[in-house]
Amino acid sequence: KNEVEQSPQNLTAQEGEFITINCSYSVGISALHWLQQHPGGGIVSLFMLSSGKKKHGRLIATINIQEKHSSLHITASHPRDSAVYICAVRSPGETSGSRLTFGEGTQLTVNP
Amino acid sequence: NAGVMQNPRHLVRRRGQEARLRCSPMKGHSHVYWYRQLPEEGLKFMVYLQKENIIDESGMPKERFSAEFPKEGPSILRIQQVVRGDSAAYFCASSLVGVEQYFGPGTRLTVT
Repeated sequence: KNEVEQSPQNLTAQEGEFITINCSYSVGISALHWLQQHPGGGIVSLFMLSSGKKKHGRLIATINIQEKHSSLHITASHPRDSAVYICAVRSPGETSGSRLTFGEGTQLTVNP
Repeated sequence: NAGVMQNPRHLVRRRGQEARLRCSPMKGHSHVYWYRQLPEEGLKFMVYLQKENIIDESGMPKERFSAEFPKEGPSILRIQQVVRGDSAAYFCASSLVGVEQYFGPGTRLTVT
């Protein structure tokens, strides 16, 4: 079993729909990241959070430390949101404190 | 402020040759991470470096792979005697201590 599990693996939506991508992890963490990988391959960091909720534009990320679960929401989805969304956790500790462990990613396709 | 830079963006090597991948972190960042994304797989941690020090290399293959981050100049990921299985996208990220990592555009290595 992977340390970081994402669901769903693939998601197709119609423009305007509300999107939720889930991430569960089984290890202790110091922070959780949501990343976006564009079709061309580049990776953009969307959020880093260790508690509560963060919002940036149409994107919202939440984390529940007790349940070891995070969600990424996209409101009013648009075709340009089509990408792979990756959840990554940062381990606590000194030497390993900054390494990231990644989920397999969720391929999101938003159709016009 | 320029982002993380990687070069080359695409690299083709024949089996047995050496591959050198370069990463220039964001200005002011002294922490560099290398990650590998094999075809159809998720990102995997390889190595974490600070200037002139390897902090965590637990994700590096035991043979043929090495990394450095000298006092001056970019971080280098070196793969000796490449094999077809080394074909992947190699991403570098940089950060200040304990905060968000910023990713470079990646180097896509193809071994023929």
